[in-house]
Amino acid sequence: TQLLEQSPQFLSIQEGENLTVYCNSSSVFSSLQWYRQEPGEGPVLLVTVVTGGEVKKLKRLTFQFGDARKDSSLHITAAQPGDTGLYLCAGGIKAAGNKLTFGGGTRVLVKP
Amino acid sequence: DSGVTQTPKHLITATGQRVTLRCSPRSGDLSVYWYQQSLDQGLQFLIQYYNGEERAKGNILERFSAQQFPDLHSELNLSSLELGDSALYFCASSPSGTGGMGYGYTFGSGTRLTVV
Repeated sequence: TQLLEQSPQFLSIQEGENLTVYCNSSSVFSSLQWYRQEPGEGPVLLVTVVTGGEVKKLKRLTFQFGDARKDSSLHITAAQPGDTGLYLCAGGIKAAGNKLTFGGGTRVLVKP
Repeated sequence: DSGVTQTPKHLITATGQRVTLRCSPRSGDLSVYWYQQSLDQGLQFLIQYYNGEERAKGNILERFSAQQFPDLHSELNLSSLELGDSALYFCASSPSGTGGMGYGYTFGSGTRLTVV
C-alpha cells in the first residue's frame, strides 16, 4: 500500500489539452515535491511546496498544496509532447526526518 | 548532467552473484539516498547516508548493504542476487540530512540491473 496515492495511473491526451494529476494521502506532510522522470533518466525536481494552500506556477504547470497538507495537484495547461513523462509526487514527514516517500507515479502521454 | 554520477549504467549478472553499484553525490551534498525502481513497485526507498553515517533505513533486504566513504561517494552492494532484484537502482543526494524541507533530491541516471 502506497502512503501517497497518485491518480490517474496513466493519462493519454492530445496536444493542446489540459490535464490534472492528483496526489493524496491520509498523512500530513511538512513538504511535498513533484518530479518528472523521462525514460532512462532519474527523476528531476519540478517544485517544492511547504505551506498549506500554496499555489506555485512554473510556466504552463500549476502546483497546489492542499490546505490540510495531505494532498496536492499538478495541472498542465495546453500540454505539449515535451510534457510526456512519469510524474511523481513525494512527501516529507517531519517525524521521519523528512525522508521523502514517493507516490506510484502518473504516466502522461501527450500525442501530437 | 544532474551532478550525481552513477556507475555502471547497465549491469547484467547471473543469479547468486554479487554486484556493487557506485554513486558520487553532487558537489557539496552530504546525504546520499538509494532507491529501487521496478515496474510494479514504483520508487522504493532503500537507505540513506549522511556524512558517512547511516541515517535511515527503508525496505532494504538483508542481502543488500551500503556504505558512504570519507569522500562522500557511496556504494550499494547486492549479493545472492535473485531474478526479482532486476530493477533500476537510483542514487540521489541532498545538501542536508533532511531532504524534504525545501531541498529537493538530485537524482543520478540510475543503474539498470538485470539478473538472468
